[in-house]
Amino acid sequence: SQKIEQNSEALNIQEGKTATLTCNYTNYSPAYLQWYRQDPGRGPVFLLLIRENEKEKRKERLKVTFDTTLKQSLFHITASQPADSATYLCALPNSGGSNYKLTFGKGTLLTVNP
Amino acid sequence: ETGVTQTPRHLVMGMTNKKSLKCEQHLGHNAMYWYKQSAKKPLELMFVYNFKEQTENNSVPSRFSPECPNSSHLFLHLHTLQPEDSALYLCASSQVDRGEETQYFGPGTRLLVL
Repeated sequence: SQKIEQNSEALNIQEGKTATLTCNYTNYSPAYLQWYRQDPGRGPVFLLLIRENEKEKRKERLKVTFDTTLKQSLFHITASQPADSATYLCALPNSGGSNYKLTFGKGTLLTVNP
Repeated sequence: ETGVTQTPRHLVMGMTNKKSLKCEQHLGHNAMYWYKQSAKKPLELMFVYNFKEQTENNSVPSRFSPECPNSSHLFLHLHTLQPEDSALYLCASSQVDRGEETQYFGPGTRLLVL
């Protein structure tokens, strides 16, 4: 199975700045990678999916990159707002026939200060 | 709302009690999952049902017993739990045959075992 590392447990930034979160993985290269947002006491909510043949994906203020050589994905939130404060999880599919099962990272707790 | 509901939202039980967690998905998906989320740890996949057949049991103790009567409903039966079983239990669903397995999570059940 995959081993996933998310750069830090917590990240604090000032409102208006760009938040950059890192997800590194070992072992095999996945066909895609996903990012989720989780608020305290709630279930994760899907944000973005990026495929192995895509370098970058954008959705409003969110941008995800995927470097299969470095085995790394970067997740950016531009013009950050206090409402962006949450835990962000990256997730990768298992290999082979069970690729519908996901392995999640521990997550990075982002705090955006007003 | 994600289309996945869970009840109860909070549960306190003694080690000798028997209780059940319920999950229902309104998305027409064909796979459902139980996860355990403890503090400072990544999401742990407990059980997977694909087309109502259990396809995964990640060495979960027998005091946790899943049941999937149809593709929309999933239960987790609990008996003689231990205090270390206190956690957030999350249900999720996905459509397995699309090749990109975005999972939709319920709000979770916060379980406290005394």
